[in-house]
Amino acid sequence: EPEVTQTPSHQVTQMGQEVILRCVPISNHLYFYWYRQILGQKVEFLVSFYNNEISEKSEIFDDQFSVERPDGSNFTLKIRSTKLEDSAMYFCASSSREWRQFFGPGTRLTVL
Amino acid sequence: QQPVQSPQAVILREGEDAVINCSSSKALYSVHWYRQKHGEAPVFLMILLKGGEQKGHEKISASFNEKKQQSSLYLTASQLSYSGTYFCGTEWQTSGSRLTFGEGTQLTVNP
Repeated sequence: EPEVTQTPSHQVTQMGQEVILRCVPISNHLYFYWYRQILGQKVEFLVSFYNNEISEKSEIFDDQFSVERPDGSNFTLKIRSTKLEDSAMYFCASSSREWRQFFGPGTRLTVL
Repeated sequence: QQPVQSPQAVILREGEDAVINCSSSKALYSVHWYRQKHGEAPVFLMILLKGGEQKGHEKISASFNEKKQQSSLYLTASQLSYSGTYFCGTEWQTSGSRLTFGEGTQLTVNP
């Protein structure tokens, strides 16, 4: 079965630092998403991306966050100045027109 | 508005059945069911679309009641491997839109 991949698997950073989380969606997919999950809580939507632009974003996705699809394969999430409360598991997902969203294995972000 | 899942937790003996419900106060386009084990990514189980039929996957099936805006996940003859947290994710618009997840139902299957 095709897979979404994410790197790194674990990122540790100091508060105030910038981080970039990387994802390689499934190659023929058109819709891309970032979700996050704080330890022990539910999965929360951050942003969706389609046709090279943000199609929807949540209230969590403020000016500190940005997404990019710099080439035909990668999809990145940047957090400009990390806060302690940004510590969470970040999942990338992608889907085609068949609705199912395929989740990647996640990046665990720890902000110290 | 997130969907409401019930129950919050359930403990089963191997071989027993369980039903997990997911309700929305808003009209749904689709309901996606995922299972997540500790420290892992959510794993897709199935999707129910508005106007669609009941779906099944091995001994796990689900239904979607459009009148009630509720989906139910049925686990029959549970196995130890069914343990995990079950999330429903709902879409309110057409495909490609965000999933809004419920709080999850923690299922524990004991020998």
